[in-house]
Amino acid sequence: DTGVSQDPRHKITKRGQNVTFRCDPISEHNRLYWYRQTLGQGPEFLTYFQNEAQLEKSRLLSDRFSAERPKGSFSTLEIQRTEQGDSAMYLCASSLGQAGYNTGELFFGEGSRLTVL
Amino acid sequence: AQSVAQPEDQVNVAEGNPLTVKCTYSVSGNPYLFWYVQYPNRGLQFLLKYITGDNLVKGSYGFEDEFNKSQTSFHLKKPSALVSDSALYFCAVRDIFSSGTYKYIFGTGTRLKVLA
Repeated sequence: DTGVSQDPRHKITKRGQNVTFRCDPISEHNRLYWYRQTLGQGPEFLTYFQNEAQLEKSRLLSDRFSAERPKGSFSTLEIQRTEQGDSAMYLCASSLGQAGYNTGELFFGEGSRLTVL
Repeated sequence: AQSVAQPEDQVNVAEGNPLTVKCTYSVSGNPYLFWYVQYPNRGLQFLLKYITGDNLVKGSYGFEDEFNKSQTSFHLKKPSALVSDSALYFCAVRDIFSSGTYKYIFGTGTRLKVLA
């Protein structure tokens, strides 16, 4: 079990550029979450996938943000036309949910830190 | 909506002393409560959870939690702190989407410093 992996770990970009982050969840986990964490704050929910279906999106997720999980395995989070306010740590987490059973805890990746200059 | 609050931004404790990191919650129905720890530039690691049952929950690395329904609290405790426990601690509550699936609401975090 390699855990949840995220790539890249760090990304520095200029305002207006597009960036994409990738998350590989634990292989048997069907639930995948994206969170954003800014300095001094707790993680804030962005979006949720169950298998390949994106079931929930936060109002924090503007039109410049898009997320996919095309085959129910890895997921990508793309930010278009980045702004300085997008600078944050983007965290991916996965969990195993089955009908009538859910252990509850999330397993987080190491995060992708974005700096927009 | 479910929520959690961490009233302390920072807690300092001497190595070897007991530590407590506080969390209170507001939920409708039965609470599903969690603690996570975050080391610098790392993701969050699960420590322990309370779903139902005993009010004292034991988790990873010697941490335990005392659930108190009357005070709506879920404080993280450890009998003897280590310098390596210094980190950022988050409590979280499980909420439910309109679709019936789960989301997790995190507190703002408490920075624990264990002094040698």
